[in-house]
Amino acid sequence: DAGVIQSPRHEVTEMGQEVTLRCKPISGHDYLFWYRQTMMRGLELLIYFNNNVPIDDSGMPEDRFSAKMPNASFSTLKIQPSEPRDSAVYFCASTMDPASYEQYFGPGTRLTVT
Amino acid sequence: QKEVEQNSGPLSVPEGAIASLNCTYSDRGSQSFFWYRQYSGKSPELIMSIYSNGDKEDGRFTAQLNKASQYVSLLIRDSQPSDSATYLCAVNPGGGADGLTFGKGTHLIIQP
Repeated sequence: DAGVIQSPRHEVTEMGQEVTLRCKPISGHDYLFWYRQTMMRGLELLIYFNNNVPIDDSGMPEDRFSAKMPNASFSTLKIQPSEPRDSAVYFCASTMDPASYEQYFGPGTRLTVT
Repeated sequence: QKEVEQNSGPLSVPEGAIASLNCTYSDRGSQSFFWYRQYSGKSPELIMSIYSNGDKEDGRFTAQLNKASQYVSLLIRDSQPSDSATYLCAVNPGGGADGLTFGKGTHLIIQP
């Protein structure tokens, strides 16, 4: 069974450009999470969805960040305009089990903004 | 602000010994606790979950939870070089399918 799929795996862009990261959760998982990892701040929750509806976006750093989940098998995280401080690894995770809430992570997208 | 604290290490342990990793959390209402292993350049991999006070064993791994002390630990028995990684403690503060709050991780080195 395929795990969480993310694309692209690496993205290098110039400051001011729009960046779109993509995620496909594990089939049947109702919850999808976006995290960001940096050396300074560690792994931080940005936003999460339940049944395609955003539940908590309090971790989204600012209005330059937006996330959507148009259907159960696809989500995007968009940064517009991008800045060098957005450089990080962005992970998507999903879960389905309401008893355990064990989250399973995708391989991540390493974003570099120059 | 909900916090999860871990010693960043590195923690160096001889091969075959027991590695002990510790974590404290600030939100007393937290219900679910997880340990993730992360190799350099890879994504976090779930290795243990624990929900009630006491010990939970899975192979060479034992998770321990003490809610009164707000303390979670992970023991790795018979440590192997392949156990060398960063171990992330994660807490689900709400008891539901909320986002996890992560510690910054402990870098574990198993010396052959």
